[in-house]
Amino acid sequence: GNSVTQMEGPVTLSEEAFLTINCTYTATGYPSLFWYVQYPGEGLQLLLKATKADDKGSNKGFEATYRKETTSFHLEKGSVQVSDSAVYFCALRSGGSTLGRLYFGRGTQLTVWP
Amino acid sequence: GAVVSQHPSWVICKSGTSVKIECRSLDFQATTMFWYRQFPKQSLMLMATSNEGSKATYEQGVEKDKFLINHASLTLSTLTVTSAHPEDSSFYICSARGDGQNTEAFFGQGTRLTVV
Repeated sequence: GNSVTQMEGPVTLSEEAFLTINCTYTATGYPSLFWYVQYPGEGLQLLLKATKADDKGSNKGFEATYRKETTSFHLEKGSVQVSDSAVYFCALRSGGSTLGRLYFGRGTQLTVWP
Repeated sequence: GAVVSQHPSWVICKSGTSVKIECRSLDFQATTMFWYRQFPKQSLMLMATSNEGSKATYEQGVEKDKFLINHASLTLSTLTVTSAHPEDSSFYICSARGDGQNTEAFFGQGTRLTVV
């Protein structure tokens, strides 16, 4: 089946620190992988995505590389800011899904202190 | 990206009443819409998937008579929580996507429902 396992939080960092949030998956077929961000009281926003092995998604200084050999899609940022404080969700969409259903990890709360 | 508008953003209702939540795709035709429920500090739980003009497909354990989903047009889906109880209090999020296997899903801003 399809599932996403995400690093448990919360993660607390100082501004300009390096961020890694681990994400691994199991999937049927060839999934697309996503990272979503949720700010307090809001819905989800797509942060980045990768649709095939070895693709690197990037946006706003965040990066994640689709690693098929390790079934991973870890999120990284070299220097976090206070404004990055949010909940981050790793998700996959099965390659065999015609409806486009997403499977989410549990989310990781990130807090960045000035 | 495309815009999905969800309304209301928050609602408080009395036990036993029904609440309707709307999800609109503002600048694209949403062939498929998804309704999620999110408990505090937890992930999103998919409740149901709906295609325009057909009945929604509910996930196991979700009461279809309690959570009525209507997807009558390509830009609007509604979730009605019938005879709401305090345990229905939660954050409900809709998502919409257009046609095509690789089309992105866009999320509404969510609705905070509190049943008192």
